[in-house]
Amino acid sequence: GNSVTQMEGPVTLSEEAFLTINCTYTATGYPSLFWYVQYPGEGLQLLLKATKADDKGSNKGFEATYRKETTSFHLEKGSVQVSDSAVYFCALSDGYNQGGKLIFGQGTELSVKP
Amino acid sequence: GAVVSQHPSRVICKSGTSVKIECRSLDFQATTMFWYRQFPKQSLMLMATSNEGSKATYEQGVEKDKFLINHASLTLSTLTVTSAHPEDSSFYICSARTQGGNSPLHFGNGTRLTVT
Repeated sequence: GNSVTQMEGPVTLSEEAFLTINCTYTATGYPSLFWYVQYPGEGLQLLLKATKADDKGSNKGFEATYRKETTSFHLEKGSVQVSDSAVYFCALSDGYNQGGKLIFGQGTELSVKP
Repeated sequence: GAVVSQHPSRVICKSGTSVKIECRSLDFQATTMFWYRQFPKQSLMLMATSNEGSKATYEQGVEKDKFLINHASLTLSTLTVTSAHPEDSSFYICSARTQGGNSPLHFGNGTRLTVT
């Protein structure tokens, strides 16, 4: 079945460091890929998405490119801030075969120190 | 746009009682809503898919008689945890879809349930 695997956390970085959170997936068909962010005690917020191969999603300085050849959707940011500290979830949706359900990775906790 | 409101944000109840959690789409019609459960420092586990006007579809291992889901309108779905026990304590999150297919889900802020 479909699945998402993320790099394990927690990831601890200093402010202004470069961030990469790896995400790979297994899916049949042509899924859409998403990154969601969860701040402490809150629900999830959509950070960015990509709906087909080679698409690049971007938002708030974060980027991720849909790589079909490597089945990956790694999240990157050039310079992190303390306010980026949160848990990041990679997810896929195969709308046609899965009824639109999202399948999440296990989440990666990011902690940014000043 | 695409705001999902979840209420209450926190609830504490005694063992054996029932708790209702509401999920509302404030500025759009949601034909499909999803209910997730999240354990501390873990990912979200899909519990059920709620379709307006029809019975919810539960994931394997989720007790439908314990977690009652009602999706009576295009803007409201409710999850009722019946005869709650301490092991039901968790963070429950709803989400709603604005369109079909591969469109993104919009999430509520979650409900922290504590059963004493």
